Amino acid sequence: KAGVTQTPRYLIKTRGQQVTLSCSPISGHRSVSWYQQTPGQGLQFLFEYFSETQRNKGNFPGRFSGRQFSNSRSEMNVSTLELGDSALYLCASSKDAYNEQFFGPGTRLTVL
Amino acid sequence: AQSVTQLDSQVPVFEEAPVELRCNYSSSVSVYLFWYVQYPNQGLQLLLKYLSGSTLVKGINGFEAEFNKSQTSFHLRKPSVHISDTAEYFCAVFEGQGAQKLVFGQGTRLTINP
Repeated sequence: KAGVTQTPRYLIKTRGQQVTLSCSPISGHRSVSWYQQTPGQGLQFLFEYFSETQRNKGNFPGRFSGRQFSNSRSEMNVSTLELGDSALYLCASSKDAYNEQFFGPGTRLTVL
Repeated sequence: AQSVTQLDSQVPVFEEAPVELRCNYSSSVSVYLFWYVQYPNQGLQLLLKYLSGSTLVKGINGFEAEFNKSQTSFHLRKPSVHISDTAEYFCAVFEGQGAQKLVFGQGTRLTINP
């Protein structure tokens, strides 16, 4: 069974731009969660989608948004990029609540 | 809200020595606990999980962890480490009812010296 895939793996953007990251979950998994990983703040939860609905949301500004498609693939968008948005963005999929999450390799975003 | 504390930010050990990585969580009625490992430039890989049942949980790569409810701990152990175990290790807990939000500790960097 194929694992969680994320594209692109690396991105370089400048301040003020916007970016879209993509995540394809493991086949049969309906829940997709997104996390931000930085050296200073560690791993922080962004949001979770299940059956195209946002079910949980972390403490991030409205510039961070996401969506999920009918095939469970998910995208997250960050608008008006700031230097502090530079991070590794990880996507994780699971069958449903209280099931273990399987992580993708991440997208490393650098904002200049 | 749940919180997770990993008591050591770095742990250096010699190859073939035993290791324990410590994790404490804030108490809750129901707790679901995980240990993940992250190798350089990679995502997180699940080592083991505690959802219910036996308090001693065995995972991949020879790791095990013990759930201790009275001490709110979930320490990770391995009797004999290898160079390939060099990585960052994260303890995590689910937060909330029906939640898929994982709350992570700050991570422990395990360095194996030959």
